[in-house]
Amino acid sequence: QVQLQESGPGLVKPSETLSLTCAVSGYSISSGYYWGWIRQPPGKGLEWIGSIYHSGSTYYNPSLKSRVTISVDTSKNQFSLKLSSVTAADTAVYYCARVARATRVFDYWGQGTLVTVSS
Amino acid sequence: QSALTQPASVSGSPGQSITISCTGTSSDVGGYNYVSWYQQHPGKAPKLMIYEVSNRPSGVSNRFSGSKSGNTASLTISGLQAEDEADYYCSSYTSSLYVFGTGTKVTVL
Repeated sequence: QVQLQESGPGLVKPSETLSLTCAVSGYSISSGYYWGWIRQPPGKGLEWIGSIYHSGSTYYNPSLKSRVTISVDTSKNQFSLKLSSVTAADTAVYYCARVARATRVFDYWGQGTLVTVSS
Repeated sequence: QSALTQPASVSGSPGQSITISCTGTSSDVGGYNYVSWYQQHPGKAPKLMIYEVSNRPSGVSNRFSGSKSGNTASLTISGLQAEDEADYYCSSYTSSLYVFGTGTKVTVL
């Protein structure tokens, strides 16, 4: 069974960089699939942040592209998100997910982690 | 890349059928058959309910069905049950990117 688990600081100061990691178990990242990040501000809808392939190819939401970096570490079977210059608007639950190439869906999700941007 | 448009809320009585619309453009919903639907209960991660417009993943009730016409996709829930009360989001693939809908809260009366 594929499982994903987000980890990282729950509180980040404005203008600093948000960093999260998603540990994958039950499936090898190197075996294929894309891996993505999605966020959800409190009481609001879902927003796709970006996706990465095990080879390192990345695709980012144009609205966040200038601040986002997604990377993969196949040796640890995990991938990571960095979002720079954060503001209160970046406060959200951040989810990591597996992205099926054939059907273009997010088929397995982590439980999500709340990141609050505040001084 | 703008969010797909969904009604904010839809309600129905147990046993009834409801339909949620998801309107995009010819660049996303209308241009690809990669429309999917997710169900999200409070405090939980989204769950895939429909993929490629009308396909159900294994384990999803056949009370859930999807369709598409032009730039608008739809999710129909038939035989509405209390457990269907949740938020629903559509999503579309578009040129290596993904866009979600604004979300619809389904209330079972």
